[in-house]
Amino acid sequence: SQQGEEDPQALSIQEGENATMNCSYKTSINNLQWYRQNSGRGLVHLILIRSNEREKHSGRLRVTLDTSKKSSSLLITASRAADTASYFCATVALPSSGSARQLTFGSGTQLTVLP
Amino acid sequence: ETGVTQTPRHLVMGMTNKKSLKCEQHLGHNAMYWYKQSAKKPLELMFVYSLEERVENNSVPSRFSPECPNSSHLFLHLHTLQPEDSALYLCASRADHADGAEAFFGQGTRLTVV
Repeated sequence: SQQGEEDPQALSIQEGENATMNCSYKTSINNLQWYRQNSGRGLVHLILIRSNEREKHSGRLRVTLDTSKKSSSLLITASRAADTASYFCATVALPSSGSARQLTFGSGTQLTVLP
Repeated sequence: ETGVTQTPRHLVMGMTNKKSLKCEQHLGHNAMYWYKQSAKKPLELMFVYSLEERVENNSVPSRFSPECPNSSHLFLHLHTLQPEDSALYLCASRADHADGAEAFFGQGTRLTVV
């Protein structure tokens, strides 16, 4: 079953603006990760937030996690044209909720940053 | 360069052909994954191999057959595929431990079934 669901499916913004993407999931998790994918290429890991963390920063990225709502958000500040890509959340389930080895992805948000 | 190498990068095959996709990592990871990515669909987890177990998605047809001879190599054997199997096939590896870890992906094999 689909674990992560990103929202919106597509987002188009101007360079310099902030982009916010959301992710919802269903089962209890060990951690939640965000990945980026350029068209037709492999995914690249951006940031990982553990279930006992509420917020994490990495450069222009800010991730929040609300385990009570089973949701996460990814904020990209001061966006650039090079940020244009698809962004996916992925969850690692707790062993009691499924195999800890399964890394389950959502449908992704296609972000377009216009120059 | 992620440390995960997939070959070939592109593959066109007929429905009666047999081919194999290869994935290789030398990152010391002990879990390897096959994902299928079709246009406008979520990444579909097909198979997971770790030292202790193999997990598979029960909806994956038997015309896809994985093989993991050791922790560094993973294959996906393909036979009598259908046109709807055309997709980007992604391999990933990960250090599988209780705390969880990030996955490293290969560049994918773009498969076209004609």
